[in-house]
Amino acid sequence: KNEVEQSPQNLTAQEGEFITINCSYSVGISALHWLQQHPGGGIVSLFMLSSGKKKHGRLIATINIQEKHSSLHITASHPRDSAVYICAVSHFSGGGADGLTFGKGTHLIIQP
Amino acid sequence: EAGVAQSPRYKIIEKRQSVAFWCNPISGHATLYWYQQILGQGPKLLIQFQNNGVVDDSQLPKDRFSAERLKGVDSTLKIQPAKLEDSAVYLCASSSRAFREFDEKLFFGSGTQLSVL
Repeated sequence: KNEVEQSPQNLTAQEGEFITINCSYSVGISALHWLQQHPGGGIVSLFMLSSGKKKHGRLIATINIQEKHSSLHITASHPRDSAVYICAVSHFSGGGADGLTFGKGTHLIIQP
Repeated sequence: EAGVAQSPRYKIIEKRQSVAFWCNPISGHATLYWYQQILGQGPKLLIQFQNNGVVDDSQLPKDRFSAERLKGVDSTLKIQPAKLEDSAVYLCASSSRAFREFDEKLFFGSGTQLSVL
């Protein structure tokens, strides 16, 4: 069973700051997901990574397979970025099962 | 593109009662997941369907939980009878991804918030 650890658990920053959220996992994976969850809202998938780096707008996600570590960065943070950011990993099995194992999330608050 | 639809949005029941949740995934998505998210924790997979077949239900408490996806499209998750510890948000997600296509995203519904009193 994969253990997914995120840090920090809570993060409060000022608008404009560069944000980094970290995720580490214990067992080799097929893919890693970064997800965003707003209070009372559903979950939005931000990135799915199997190697390297992806960028979308002000969001950047990186993964180091050898170190079993991924980071999510937010540049020029804005109050609307306030949400819970969840790291999740998946494993493809021979039968096709690949349900995600989730971290507990990082609660981010960006103050104006 | 319409998203993953879930209903109801909220449900309050008493323990030992039954409850059912419904999910309609994005059109054409073969893979459907049900997750349970207890307050303060990350979601936990309950069951994964590929079309109308179950590929993983290892964490589904089968003595009280059941799920079906008869025509390979929409799905229902049932709890019978409910316990206090079942209070959680039940999330449905879908993906067009089959086995080893790495670039597909997961799409989540808004969830059903269940309170068992």
